[in-house]
Amino acid sequence: NAGVTQTPKFRVLKTGQSMTLLCAQDMNHEYMYWYRQDPGMGLRLIHYSVGEGTTAKGEVPDGYNVSRLKKQNFLLGLESAAPSQTSVYFCASSYSSDIPYEQYFGPGTRLTVT
Amino acid sequence: ELKVEQNPLFLSMQEGKNYTIYCNYSTTSDRLYWYRQDPGKSLESLFVLLSNGAVKQEGRLMASLDTKARLSTLHITAAVHDLSATYFCAAIIQGAQKLVFGQGTRLTINP
Repeated sequence: NAGVTQTPKFRVLKTGQSMTLLCAQDMNHEYMYWYRQDPGMGLRLIHYSVGEGTTAKGEVPDGYNVSRLKKQNFLLGLESAAPSQTSVYFCASSYSSDIPYEQYFGPGTRLTVT
Repeated sequence: ELKVEQNPLFLSMQEGKNYTIYCNYSTTSDRLYWYRQDPGKSLESLFVLLSNGAVKQEGRLMASLDTKARLSTLHITAAVHDLSATYFCAAIIQGAQKLVFGQGTRLTINP
């Protein structure tokens, strides 16, 4: 079991460039999440998905798009990167009806936008 | 809107001492989570507290939940250097499968 994996681990973009971050999980989880982590601000939810083919906005969705075409994958896209999107991005997944509804986190992607 | 606040945000302590990290949340939430993060690493689940009065312990760490006071605590007993990390609490938005995280407490334990 690989758990939750993220690709790539590091990336440097120039302002205006686009990229896609891939999150994959092999635990058959229904729910998947994308967070960003900035110093002193904890983790903030960008978008999430409650099942294949569904997505919803989180706390800070602007400038990002997501897709969940397969249950095991959740993609985060930046269409036109901005320096404010420099951050560490974490993906997480969980069962939909599991108690205690624990989220499992991936290793993170460190993105720098210059 | 659910807000989660931790204090202190930074804590430097000596080995062997005891201390407590506090986590307050602003609206009703029936589950509270504690995570640990080492520098440059991902988040590791420590505790999940499911009900009022819940107490969980693992080694030198003990977490508790008071839903009436909207307060959770993470108590460190006889701290050791290996516990140096950033600790996050998170509360769940009732009716939604979404967590709201606190800012994190960076704990440094000096020999």
